Amino acid sequence: EDKVVQSPLSLVVHEGDTVTLNCSYEVTNFRSLLWYKQEKKAPTFLFMLTSSGIEKKSGRLSSILDKKELFSILNITATQTGDSAIYLCAIISYGGSQGNLIFGKGTKLSVKP
Amino acid sequence: NAGVTQTPKFQVLKTGQSMTLQCAQDMNHEYMSWYRQDPGMGLRLIHYSVGAGITDQGEVPNGYNVSRSTTEDFPLRLLSAAPSQTSVYFCASSYRQGIYGYTFGSGTRLTVV
Repeated sequence: EDKVVQSPLSLVVHEGDTVTLNCSYEVTNFRSLLWYKQEKKAPTFLFMLTSSGIEKKSGRLSSILDKKELFSILNITATQTGDSAIYLCAIISYGGSQGNLIFGKGTKLSVKP
Repeated sequence: NAGVTQTPKFQVLKTGQSMTLQCAQDMNHEYMSWYRQDPGMGLRLIHYSVGAGITDQGEVPNGYNVSRSTTEDFPLRLLSAAPSQTSVYFCASSYRQGIYGYTFGSGTRLTVV
């Protein structure tokens, strides 16, 4: 069964800190890994990672995938209070649920002023 | 361009009542899906559709029905509401399953009393 595990489940930091969120996965036929940010409403798309070792960046956020070790990290530098959210990791496989997003439980990040 | 529209935003039902959660997208997306989000559980797939007339079950389909008579609409029906169906429901769509990014609706918060 395909599975996604995120750690930590929650994290409290102060503005200006750098954080690293972890996502490990087990999947039969990996296609891609996605990161989403969820504030009070719908998840919003951050990154889609398909190839190993290629970093994707958007402003202060970056992410990288390691397909050999089956994990991804999401880095946020110089955190701001607006980064407070739940960060969701999801995978897409070619397998039984092919094409469907399989989510981890999320990491709740709280950034204090 | 409205994206993915979900209605209603909030709903309270009594045990045993039935209702339909609406989801509509105007992006000509082939793929549509329904997720429920519960505290500590992440998002779990209920049903999905890869095109008009085609639907399939996800991880937690019991108690829910779907149909896809048009490309734009993918309603989720609760046949006989139970307190265990109290949750936040999200509809998500994509141009094609598993390849492109997924766009989420703003969610429906359902309480069954």
